[in-house]
Amino acid sequence: GQNIDQPTEMTATEGAIVQINCTYQTSGFNGLFWYQQHAGEAPTFLSYNVLDGLEEKGRFSSFLSRSKGYSYLLLKELQMKDSASYLCAATYTGGFKTIFGAGTRLFVKA
Amino acid sequence: GAVVSQHPSRVICKSGTSVKIECRSLDFQATTMFWYRQFPKQSLMLMATSNEGSKATYEQGVEKDKFLINHASLTLSTLTVTSAHPEDSSFYICSATFLAGGITPSYNEQFFGPGTRLTVL
Repeated sequence: GQNIDQPTEMTATEGAIVQINCTYQTSGFNGLFWYQQHAGEAPTFLSYNVLDGLEEKGRFSSFLSRSKGYSYLLLKELQMKDSASYLCAATYTGGFKTIFGAGTRLFVKA
Repeated sequence: GAVVSQHPSRVICKSGTSVKIECRSLDFQATTMFWYRQFPKQSLMLMATSNEGSKATYEQGVEKDKFLINHASLTLSTLTVTSAHPEDSSFYICSATFLAGGITPSYNEQFFGPGTRLTVL
């Protein structure tokens, strides 16, 4: 299979930094997406990593290690509106199929 | 750019009836569309992959005769839930992607529709 593992829930304080980890199976791996999803809404694209390393985009950064089958999403200067589910999703060679993790529900408290 | 719409956004139907959900790419040609189902507090579960002009490829465990998918044009795919039952109540989301210049992209970002909330009574 192509299991994607990420923590179920996390809680952090407004203004703080939080790191959401994700592991995936490396066989046939192509690239790694992070999406944000608010309750009752469709996912919105945050980042895509295909090469090793850290990519920074404003308050959000995403890291990938292809050899370790590991990624993380880093959220800085947390805001209340960042409370949402964060979905890690991996694509594999052989098609356009994207495998989604179960999502990490992030609660930002004042 | 890359906007995907879904219609309806919310539908309530009686058990045994059929419901059609439309997914449209508004400003690009979607060679491939995906249909997902999401239950509360769970992630997106891929139901099927739909390519324009060909039969959809269904994931294991998804009944193709119950969830009819038609991808008749490069901008429209439809999902019909036939003989709906209460357990089909869910959030259905479509997404679309495209081939740039006929070359398979390594960056196959999916553009998601806003989702359709189906409630079967």
